[in-house]
Amino acid sequence: QSALTQPRSVSGSPGQSVSISCTGTSGDVGGYRYVSWYQQHPGKAPKLMIYDVSERPSGVPDRFSGSKSGNTASLTISGLQPEDEADYFCCSYAGRYTWVFGGGTKLTVL
Amino acid sequence: QVTLRESGPALVKATQTLTLTCAFSGFSLSTREMCVSWIRQAPGKALEWLALIDWDDDKYYSTSLKTRLTISKDTSKNQVVLTMTNMDPVDTATYYCARMVSCYGDFGRRIDSWGQGTLVTVSS
Repeated sequence: QSALTQPRSVSGSPGQSVSISCTGTSGDVGGYRYVSWYQQHPGKAPKLMIYDVSERPSGVPDRFSGSKSGNTASLTISGLQPEDEADYFCCSYAGRYTWVFGGGTKLTVL
Repeated sequence: QVTLRESGPALVKATQTLTLTCAFSGFSLSTREMCVSWIRQAPGKALEWLALIDWDDDKYYSTSLKTRLTISKDTSKNQVVLTMTNMDPVDTATYYCARMVSCYGDFGRRIDSWGQGTLVTVSS
């Protein structure tokens, strides 16, 4: 499986919205609803932010939302806050009980 | 509260076999639809899914690494073990174990908890 493609970095000012894309193929992102997003602060364990493309676990602010179109999934963070500065990576089911991750995107809050 | 903690050698030599242990608490791996995965991240590289073991002891591996990987569990000890043979410097990475829920469900398949990871360096 090839890694999913994410931009290396994105940035935005507090209060703005940013989107992070995650591009795969019809064999992973495009073929299944099982796309999830994780936030990781330096030295910390990743935290689940979105699953099933657009579902938010309890406790995750509704500023975080997910969507998918074709082979590309997206994470949108609205009303950026300083604590949102972190690495974000996507994950997709890739069939035959295997999973594939994105390369990760560094979000900078200016 | 779900916790997972990886342990193992920080340094291994090329051609050696790596054995990593994931000790977890807060859930049972005998619960239906519960799984544990191993994932790694080489410096500056993408996360790479390695293997998965489920509540029923079924095991699945990365296609590219399946000949080198073995995953097993000890339900009574709440541990999952990953072995990787014939280590190479390119295998230098932080290795994570993670809980997956609704592993084969129609909805909600996801990794919902991760360990902190353990850095393994492979020397030549």
